Amino acid sequence: AQTVTQSQPEMSVQEAETVTLSCTYDTSESDYYLFWYKQPPSRQMILVIRQEAYKQQNATENRFSVNFQKAAKSFSLKISDSQLGDAAMYFCAYSGDMRFGAGTRLTVKP
Amino acid sequence: DGGITQSPKYLFRKEGQNVTLSCEQNLNHDAMYWYRQDPGQGLRLIYYSQIVNDFQKGDIAEGYSVSREKKESFPLTVTSAQKNPTAFYLCASSLSGSFYEQYFGPGTRLTVT
Repeated sequence: AQTVTQSQPEMSVQEAETVTLSCTYDTSESDYYLFWYKQPPSRQMILVIRQEAYKQQNATENRFSVNFQKAAKSFSLKISDSQLGDAAMYFCAYSGDMRFGAGTRLTVKP
Repeated sequence: DGGITQSPKYLFRKEGQNVTLSCEQNLNHDAMYWYRQDPGQGLRLIYYSQIVNDFQKGDIAEGYSVSREKKESFPLTVTSAQKNPTAFYLCASSLSGSFYEQYFGPGTRLTVT
């Protein structure tokens, strides 16, 4: 079975600063997608960003960007200009067998 | 508005009773999924369905059952055989298969005593 590992159970960032959340995964496939989802206190899961494995260019969505290293099987999420509304659980997910990491709880300090 | 609905938001049951969680989507998505979320853990896949009248077991299917008689509906039954049913359950759908992002419902918190 594929595995998705988020090694940081908790992270903290100052408002307006930048933070990077880590994710590694294990797969023998060459074609797959990776996702970052956000789960705020309401527990509603929201897609943050998606990366296609065949694309070398890192995905970006406004303040959110990824650093995708296919050979290293690494998929980190960078949040720039952090806002109070970014506080949430963040989950990394691998498309092949719909596997999620354990999550990173992000706290944003005013 | 298109989306996924799950009802009820909170559900309480006595041990030994079966209970069915509802999941409906009007996004015209082919694929639907059920996940379980426990404190300190990520989402774990219970069942998924990529087409009407067909579904596959996920990692933790024991003690659960599903049906997919209509494209828009994918109910989950938690049976009395599930040893630790108390959890937060999330339903999701995607356009077609796992290569597409999933859209999630608001979840159902099930408490069994």
